[in-house]
Amino acid sequence: EVHLMESGGGLVQPGGSRRLSCTVSGLTFTNYEMNWVRQAPGKGPEWISNISRSGDVTHYADSVKGRFTVSRDNAKTSLFLQMNSLRAEDTAVYYCVSGGECTNDMCHHAAYFQHWGQGTEVTVSS
Amino acid sequence: DIQMTQSPSTVSASVGDRVTFTCRASQSIYTWLAWYQQKPGKAPKLLIYKASTLESGVPSRFSGSGFGTEFSLTIDSLQPDDIGTYYCQHYYSYSWTFGQGTKVEI
Repeated sequence: EVHLMESGGGLVQPGGSRRLSCTVSGLTFTNYEMNWVRQAPGKGPEWISNISRSGDVTHYADSVKGRFTVSRDNAKTSLFLQMNSLRAEDTAVYYCVSGGECTNDMCHHAAYFQHWGQGTEVTVSS
Repeated sequence: DIQMTQSPSTVSASVGDRVTFTCRASQSIYTWLAWYQQKPGKAPKLLIYKASTLESGVPSRFSGSGFGTEFSLTIDSLQPDDIGTYYCQHYYSYSWTFGQGTKVEI
């Protein structure tokens, strides 16, 4: 069974930093691009970052570009999100999400969100 | 960024009804579209990808169709467990974006 477990959420002051982690089991981690998707209270989901299977290519939504950094440790089947310069509008549940399985160079064809964690809540407030 | 617009915002239907709702993209995304179901307090769940491919384990009463800018999700014979909010999402190009959702009520 595929399992994704996020951790690291909590209350952060505006301008502060937070690091989220996600441990993944039940799939061949290196066959999957990984993503962070967040959902603000009462809103729809928002994709915020993607990392390639090897970890050498990353993409970000404009809303977090320059403030958030995604990384992965394939040996530990883990995904991370370093969040800096946090704002009130970053308050959300943050989900660790896999793409579809990709074993060739056409991973953009599998860029849907297949496996989701349960989410970790980040609240930015003074 | 490509904008995704879903309609209607809410659907009220009875058990056994056939329900269809739509998703429109601001430019062609070919078939690079996925549908998700979300229940309150839970993570979204993938239902359909590539516009019409049913994810493993998803009941066959769910189906998707469309190409380019117009897409639809149909639930044949609505069941009580189908209540929730349904989101479309494109993955044609970065940034990938979701629609605002359609809430299904019974």
